[in-house]
Amino acid sequence: EPEVTQTPSHQVTQMGQEVILRCVPISNHLYFYWYRQILGQKVEFLVSFYNNEISEKSEIFDDQFSVERPDGSNFTLKIRSTKLEDSAMYFCASSDYSNQPQHFGDGTRLSIL
Amino acid sequence: QQQVKQSPQSLIVQKGGISIINCAYENTAFDYFPWYQQFPGKGPALLIAIRPDVSEKKEGRFTISFNKSAKQFSLHIMDSQPGDSATYFCAAADRTLPKLIWGLGTSLAVNP
Repeated sequence: EPEVTQTPSHQVTQMGQEVILRCVPISNHLYFYWYRQILGQKVEFLVSFYNNEISEKSEIFDDQFSVERPDGSNFTLKIRSTKLEDSAMYFCASSDYSNQPQHFGDGTRLSIL
Repeated sequence: QQQVKQSPQSLIVQKGGISIINCAYENTAFDYFPWYQQFPGKGPALLIAIRPDVSEKKEGRFTISFNKSAKQFSLHIMDSQPGDSATYFCAAADRTLPKLIWGLGTSLAVNP
């Protein structure tokens, strides 16, 4: 069964540094998403991406965040200047249409020191 | 209005019992209601989903019941097994917004 894959599984970064989280969505999917989950808390939507542009973003997704689909397979989340409160699990998801089942990767655990 | 309220926060069930998790929403524009199962160290995995044109959907031991007038939906796990021990999330979405709104999650433990 096709999977969403995310790398790295764990990223440790100093506060203020830039970090890039990578995702390979399911190949025929058109919609891509990033969510985050702070330890023990609920999953929060960050951003959705379709047709090479952001289609929806949350208030969490401020100017320090950006997303990119640099080629036909990868989808990345960049955090420009990390803060302690950015420490969380970051999940990538994809779906073939909007409002269709979203399939998730196993996440990247981001630890900011 | 964008919230999805999930209860209980945690649940302990004996093997063979029925696990019931409830969710409620307010936004009448929501038209897609999935349930996700998450094991430690893994991403959420889609378990079952329902749209408001049906009141119930069953897949194996998992059933969603949907009450449109009450704006509530629930997950029933029949014949619960220790392997079902995980965190379960309900979520909701509407067709105009490509994002899922999540409940807080229910930690289910099934005792052998």
